Amino acid sequence: NAGVTQTPKFRILKIGQSMTLQCTQDMNHNYMYWYRQDPGMGLKLIYYSVGAGITDKGEVPNGYNVSRSTTEDFPLRLELAAPSQTSVYFCASREQGASDTQYFGPGTRLTVL
Amino acid sequence: DAKTTQPPSMDCAEGRAANLPCNHSTISGNEYVYWYRQIHSQGPQYIIHGLKNNETNEMASLIITEDRKSSTLILPHATLRDTAVYYCIVRTVNTNAGKSTFGDGTTLTVKP
Repeated sequence: NAGVTQTPKFRILKIGQSMTLQCTQDMNHNYMYWYRQDPGMGLKLIYYSVGAGITDKGEVPNGYNVSRSTTEDFPLRLELAAPSQTSVYFCASREQGASDTQYFGPGTRLTVL
Repeated sequence: DAKTTQPPSMDCAEGRAANLPCNHSTISGNEYVYWYRQIHSQGPQYIIHGLKNNETNEMASLIITEDRKSSTLILPHATLRDTAVYYCIVRTVNTNAGKSTFGDGTTLTVKP
């Protein structure tokens, strides 16, 4: 299993540009998450999904959108990039069940200039 | 989900045990304690979790006090590769999909 994969690894955007961060997992997990991590800080939940077609907001959803059309994929969309969105973005997944063990991807480092 | 409090940083000598504390005084009876770590810019990695009994796996041991208001993660023989940020979180499983609050964690530095 590849686990959780994210693309791209790095990206530089200009203010106002849009992009989609890709996340794919091959573990057939129902639950998927997007977090952002600012320098020296902990992770903040952006959006999450409990299954295909179902998404919900986390702590910091403003400026982002998500969709979940398949179990495997959970893309994160930035519509109008702002410098405040400069961060490292992590995608994670977990299976439904008694354990909350989350499996994280390697992250996407985004810089908005 | 209950909030946790961790010291911002700790040092440990290589080969010695690293004991990382976590306070979760408002923990509910059905909330588990989870530990993750993040090694420099990588995605966080699950370490261990428990409800009220002490737990041990190949990576670490988790000691939870009898009143469950605090816990300690123990790395029995710390190595330089254990230098990382360690996060303690508490959450109820199965009733809420994903609102784990990671906080800022403890930066553990293992020194030679």
